[in-house]
Amino acid sequence: QKEVEQNSGPLSVPEGAIASLNCTYSDRGSQSFFWYRQYSGKSPELIMSIYSNGDKEDGRFTAQLNKASQYVSLLIRDSQPSDSATYLCAVLVLSGGYNKLIFGAGTRLAVHP
Amino acid sequence: NAGVMQNPRHLVRRRGQEARLRCSPMKGHSHVYWYRQLPEEGLKFMVYLQKENIIDESGMPKERFSAEFPKEGPSILRIQQVVRGDSAAYFCASSPLAGSQETQYFGPGTRLLVL
Repeated sequence: QKEVEQNSGPLSVPEGAIASLNCTYSDRGSQSFFWYRQYSGKSPELIMSIYSNGDKEDGRFTAQLNKASQYVSLLIRDSQPSDSATYLCAVLVLSGGYNKLIFGAGTRLAVHP
Repeated sequence: NAGVMQNPRHLVRRRGQEARLRCSPMKGHSHVYWYRQLPEEGLKFMVYLQKENIIDESGMPKERFSAEFPKEGPSILRIQQVVRGDSAAYFCASSPLAGSQETQYFGPGTRLLVL
């Protein structure tokens, strides 16, 4: 089982809709979770971090964490074509005495006008 | 506050040559991470360094690859005798601290093409 799993997509949503991106992880001890956005040919850009159960909102983005289910999601409200990118879920796991960031393979989001 | 800097942004090498990739972390950051990303794939951890120390190199191939983060100057990822399979985007990230709320910030990457 991969440590961090995401549906590769593409996830296609119409402009203005809510895009829902999901991620599961295997390490029950993980405490920190991140969502990065990566446009084609560019570097990953941090858009959200979440550390406790529940929802965390930042503008059009909402991160949701459920540690009991080992599940973290990202909701994008009022999706725009400029949101079209690959979204990477990353989980901080304890490995060899220090914390290591493990990435999922990413979900491609396509927002069509 | 300048972000993470990487150079060169693009590097073309012929098989058998050496590739040197440089990374300057954000000001105040002492932790550097290197990742490799193959086309249409996710980020794969390669190595984690602090100043003058390699903390974890478990993701780095045992042969031909080496990394350093000297007391002065940028971190260097060195690939000797490159092969076509080394063609990828190499990203460096830095963080100010290591801990349960560590956040990594990425540089623009170096895209290596081996002919």
